[in-house]
Amino acid sequence: SQTIHQWPATLVQPVGSPLSLECTVEGTSNPNLYWYRQAAGRGLQLLFYSVGIGQISSEVPQNLSASRPQDRQFILSSKKLLLSDSGFYLCAWIAGYTDTQYFGPGTRLTVL
Amino acid sequence: GDSVTQMEGPVTLSEEAFLTINCTYTATGYPSLFWYVQYPGEGLQLLLKATKADDKGSNKGFEATYRKETTSFHLEKGSVQVSDSAVYFCALRYGGSQGNLIFGKGTKLSVKP
Repeated sequence: SQTIHQWPATLVQPVGSPLSLECTVEGTSNPNLYWYRQAAGRGLQLLFYSVGIGQISSEVPQNLSASRPQDRQFILSSKKLLLSDSGFYLCAWIAGYTDTQYFGPGTRLTVL
Repeated sequence: GDSVTQMEGPVTLSEEAFLTINCTYTATGYPSLFWYVQYPGEGLQLLLKATKADDKGSNKGFEATYRKETTSFHLEKGSVQVSDSAVYFCALRYGGSQGNLIFGKGTKLSVKP
């Protein structure tokens, strides 16, 4: 069966510090991968998606970036965090032969 | 562009009450429609889905019918429980299985004993 992991589960970082969030998927190959952000009291915002290794599409211009160094690994990064980067970050995947997107448990990021 | 509109929350109900969460969509074609649920502190889980007009998705006592004529996918449950307290997201996917999900803003449901 397929599983998706995210870490860390929670993170508190000072403004201006770097960020690296990791997402890995098991039990499938060549999935589409997604990063979403959910700010407090708001809906889901798609940040990045990837259809293959090294292929990243950005939905919202900001100080975040994403990378996909391996087929089932998706990384969200920032060189300098802003207060507005606080939120709940969700990774998701979908297999090409289905229409259902599966979400990871999320990372709660607080920037102080 | 394609979009999803959900009723504003929060919605507060007593246990065993009837639930309706309205969802309408705008799409240029024939998307698949989804309801996701997010329990406190967790990621999203697929609750139910429908892939074509007049399909009814159902799971855990929840139902939603894909209504092409009214472009709606309202979520219903006949008798809610405290454990149903969560945020519910309506979503559509257009452009085949590789397309991106478009979410509504979510509706927070609180069920009181």
